Amino acid sequence: NAGVTQTPKFRVLKTGQSMTLLCAQDMNHEYMYWYRQDPGMGLRLIHYSVGEGTTAKGEVPDGYNVSRLKKQNFLLGLESAAPSQTSVYFCASSYTLPNEQFFGPGTRLTVL
Amino acid sequence: AQTVTQSQPEMSVQEAETVTLSCTYDTSENNYYLFWYKQPPSRQMILVIRQEAYKQQNATENRFSVNFQKAAKSFSLKISDSQLGDTAMYFCAFMKPRLIISNFGNEKLTFGTGTRLTIIP
Repeated sequence: NAGVTQTPKFRVLKTGQSMTLLCAQDMNHEYMYWYRQDPGMGLRLIHYSVGEGTTAKGEVPDGYNVSRLKKQNFLLGLESAAPSQTSVYFCASSYTLPNEQFFGPGTRLTVL
Repeated sequence: AQTVTQSQPEMSVQEAETVTLSCTYDTSENNYYLFWYKQPPSRQMILVIRQEAYKQQNATENRFSVNFQKAAKSFSLKISDSQLGDTAMYFCAFMKPRLIISNFGNEKLTFGTGTRLTIIP
């Protein structure tokens, strides 16, 4: 099993450009999450999903959209990137509470 | 809302020594879960140890153990016989359990800001 994978690993965008981050898991997990990690702030939840076709907002959802069309995939979109969205993005998944969340390797995004 | 505080931004210790990382949290819940995650330079988040609040016994995983003080809302991590591979960022995290099937939203992990631990050879 590959676990949780994220595509791409690195990306540089210009302000105003759009992009989609892909998260895939092969563990048949119901729950999936997107976090961002910024220096001195730990990880903060952007959006999450409790099952195929469902999404919900986390702590810092502004400027992001998500979709969960297939159970194994969770997409994070930036419609108009801003420098404040420069961060490392982590995807995670879990089967059910209170099991652990399994994290992907992260995507480092820089917005110029 | 829950908050998690890690008051030690950085720590260092000699190899083979014991080190304790501090974590406090604030919640009005009685049942919840606490976690310690490790993030080495590879950036991968790895679960180190988990504690259920309803269990009085402190969780232990090999060289890693916790001191869970529910009344004080404290959850410290002790690493014994520290090894070079323990060098990493360590994050304390809190999760409130979803007790009602329609009560979506409790599945979130709330993280502290992390402690950067360096093991010195």
